[in-house]
Amino acid sequence: AQTVTQSQPEMSVQEAETVTLSCTYDTSENNYYLFWYKQPPSRQMILVIRQEAYKQQNATENRFSVNFQKAAKSFSLKISDSQLGDTAMYFCAFMKPSGGSNYKLTFGKGTLLTVNP
Amino acid sequence: DVKVTQSSRYLVKRTGEKVFLECVQDMDHENMFWYRQDPGLGLRLIYFSYDVKMKEKGDIPEGYSVSREKKERFSLILESASTNQTSMYLCASSTPTGGRADTQYFGPGTRLTVL
Repeated sequence: AQTVTQSQPEMSVQEAETVTLSCTYDTSENNYYLFWYKQPPSRQMILVIRQEAYKQQNATENRFSVNFQKAAKSFSLKISDSQLGDTAMYFCAFMKPSGGSNYKLTFGKGTLLTVNP
Repeated sequence: DVKVTQSSRYLVKRTGEKVFLECVQDMDHENMFWYRQDPGLGLRLIYFSYDVKMKEKGDIPEGYSVSREKKERFSLILESASTNQTSMYLCASSTPTGGRADTQYFGPGTRLTVL
């Protein structure tokens, strides 16, 4: 079974600074997907960024980027130029490729990020 | 944009009651999921469905059942609610094809309190 570990239950950062959230996972699969989801206070969970394991290039989405280290099974999220609206719970998640019962996401326990003015 | 809606944002029920949580998605997604979210535990999968009338148990199915009679609707049923089922319940949907395949889209959540 896959496991996802987020070792930082809480983090804080000053507005406009850069912060990195950690995520490690354990799997015997060679091909899979990794995700970062964001859940703002009292708001809907939304996708921040996704990475296919077969792609060596790190995914980026505007101010959000990942550092994907497949051999180390590490998938960290970097947020540049942090904004107050980035305050949220961030979840790292793992998925095996599509097909049959492989659609399920395995989530980490989350990191609560607070951006301070 | 994908829209996933859940029937209630907040729900208060009594121990032993039968509880229905409903989820509707408007993007013709094949896959639908029910999770519960508890502080310090993250999200845990209760059940999922990859087609109408098809379902599979997730990691914590005990005490729950599901129904998917139509593609757009996925219901979670607590047969006899207990206090340890007090939680936030999140519904999600996804499609196995297309540019954003496998990305799950979440509803706003239902915070259920069982007294």
